Amino acid sequence: AQTVTQSQPEMSVQEAETVTLSCTYDTSENNYYLFWYKQPPSRQMILVIRQEAYKQQNATENRFSVNFQKAAKSFSLKISDSQLGDTAMYFCAFKSRKGGATNKLIFGTGTLLAVQP
Amino acid sequence: GAVVSQHPSRVICKSGTSVKIECRSLDFQATTMFWYRQFPKQSLMLMATSNEGSKATYEQGVEKDKFLINHASLTLSTLTVTSAHPEDSSFYICSARMGGSTEAFFGQGTRLTVV
Repeated sequence: AQTVTQSQPEMSVQEAETVTLSCTYDTSENNYYLFWYKQPPSRQMILVIRQEAYKQQNATENRFSVNFQKAAKSFSLKISDSQLGDTAMYFCAFKSRKGGATNKLIFGTGTLLAVQP
Repeated sequence: GAVVSQHPSRVICKSGTSVKIECRSLDFQATTMFWYRQFPKQSLMLMATSNEGSKATYEQGVEKDKFLINHASLTLSTLTVTSAHPEDSSFYICSARMGGSTEAFFGQGTRLTVV
């Protein structure tokens, strides 16, 4: 069974600084998807970034980028130029490519990020 | 991105009554919908997966007779909490995915309080 581990329950960063959130996962599959979701105080889940395992290039979305290390099964999220609006709970998630659309997301336990002014 | 609307956002009900939560995909056809429960400062716990027109698949430990899920159309799924008890108080979130898509879109969530 796949598992997702986020070892940092809480983190804090100063505004405009850079922060990296860690995520490791365990799977025997070769093709899969990895995601980072943001859940701000409103509790609305927002997709931050997505990585397809067969792509070697790390995904980037504006200030958000990932460091995907497939062999190490590591998928960290880097937030550059942190903004107050980045304050949220961040969840790492895994999705198998098998089974199509019914495949469920497997979430980590989350990292609560606080951006300090 | 696609929009998923969940209603109501907050509901308070009396112990022993039932409450229905709706999840609608507004601009796409959701072949699969997922229902989650989330306790404060915890991760999302998948309760069940539903496909349009068929019975939901419940995760281990989730009582299917207590949490009734209906996915009668490609744009609507409902979760009914039957005979609610205070321990059912939680935050419930739905997500919807269209066929062939890898991305799931989330509703705003429903805060259920059973008194």
